[in-house]
Amino acid sequence: GQQVMQIPQYQHVQEGEDFTTYCNSSTTLSNIQWYKQRPGGHPVFLIQLVKSGEVKKQKRLTFQFGEAKKNSSLHITATQTTDVGTYFCAGPFSGGYNKLIFGAGTRLAVHP
Amino acid sequence: KAGVTQTPRYLIKTRGQQVTLSCSPISGHRSVSWYQQTPGQGLQFLFEYFSETQRNKGNFPGRFSGRQFSNSRSEMNVSTLELGDSALYLCASTTQGGYQETQYFGPGTRLLVL
Repeated sequence: GQQVMQIPQYQHVQEGEDFTTYCNSSTTLSNIQWYKQRPGGHPVFLIQLVKSGEVKKQKRLTFQFGEAKKNSSLHITATQTTDVGTYFCAGPFSGGYNKLIFGAGTRLAVHP
Repeated sequence: KAGVTQTPRYLIKTRGQQVTLSCSPISGHRSVSWYQQTPGQGLQFLFEYFSETQRNKGNFPGRFSGRQFSNSRSEMNVSTLELGDSALYLCASTTQGGYQETQYFGPGTRLLVL
């Protein structure tokens, strides 16, 4: 079945270091969405990428959608303790409405 | 606008019992999706409702069911609870449920089955 794979599973960084998480889909995606879930919280939408090769930035966060629309990445420059949480990518299920296939997430720990 | 609300926030049940969880979407949103989140399986899609109709269903046993009311509020029910049903249950709403719409998640209901 359709799968979205995400690596790494965990990442520990020192505050100020950069961080990247990668997402790969088994199928071509119409779009990819990124969510952040703080410890004890719920997923919060960060961004959606739609176009092949698209790059979007939100302050220190840079999101990329691959040319083949099967992979994506999230890069955080100069991490801060407020970046702690789990970052999920998600792609829409090709067969139905409003069904997102989530990656397993990358848990980011930032040490001050 | 108020966000997605879910009740109750926490719940403790024992094996064999049943449970009903409630989700109120953002005002004007007509599509509600439910997800189960566990440490081992991550976020998994349960089902989606739009205008009181289930349009999409994930790979969960028939013990998991849901419904949606005319005001778009949704409930999900789990019968004959098993230990493995312990999870965070999240609902998310969108206006129409289109594949490019942003899903807004509620805070979730944490269910513990003993």
